Amino acid sequence: GEDVEQSLFLSVREGDSSVINCTYTDSSSTYLYWYKQEPGAGLQLLTYIFSNMDMKQDQRLTVLLNKKDKHLSLRIADTQTGDSAIYFCAENIPGTYKYIFGTGTRLKVLA
Amino acid sequence: EPEVTQTPSHQVTQMGQEVILRCVPISNHLYFYWYRQILGQKVEFLVSFYNNEISEKSEIFDDQFSVERPDGSNFTLKIRSTKLEDSAMYFCASRGGVAELRYEQYFGPGTRLTVT
Repeated sequence: GEDVEQSLFLSVREGDSSVINCTYTDSSSTYLYWYKQEPGAGLQLLTYIFSNMDMKQDQRLTVLLNKKDKHLSLRIADTQTGDSAIYFCAENIPGTYKYIFGTGTRLKVLA
Repeated sequence: EPEVTQTPSHQVTQMGQEVILRCVPISNHLYFYWYRQILGQKVEFLVSFYNNEISEKSEIFDDQFSVERPDGSNFTLKIRSTKLEDSAMYFCASRGGVAELRYEQYFGPGTRLTVT
């Protein structure tokens, strides 16, 4: 069935890189997304990648996609305290309007 | 920057009561969505809405749920007879037209529904 899995927690020191991982199930061509949720706020789209790409870089963010293993990762370079939030991986199910989200990874950045 | 708004931020209701959760999507958007997140669990798709009708719904979206866009501005989610297990954070989202190839959804801050 359709499923998106993430680890629940990640803790890093300020200035280090953070890597948040996600696995997804659908092997068809699709868009994959990373969203950020700060306390009391909605989900903010950070970046996305189409499944025919291997990598996408956007300033401090790097998305890596391993299609064979259906593994998606988000790397945040030079992590700051303002990056502390919950990060959701999401997949658009091809041919539908439906999006499947992971449970979210809570990133804590230690000063 | 335009944003999706939701009201109320927190709704407490008794089991069996009807609730209406309200959303104001971004004004020129065409696609509208409701999601829910039970505490500690995944964000779950409920329903999508386009051209004044439901385009897709999940198995969670049973006869107790309905959506409406009554006035071209608001987008509402109604739960007819709430159950304890309906307690969750409900997110509204909207998306632009087909020209927006990224299919980016803009989310509201959510309404926390507590059923007692």
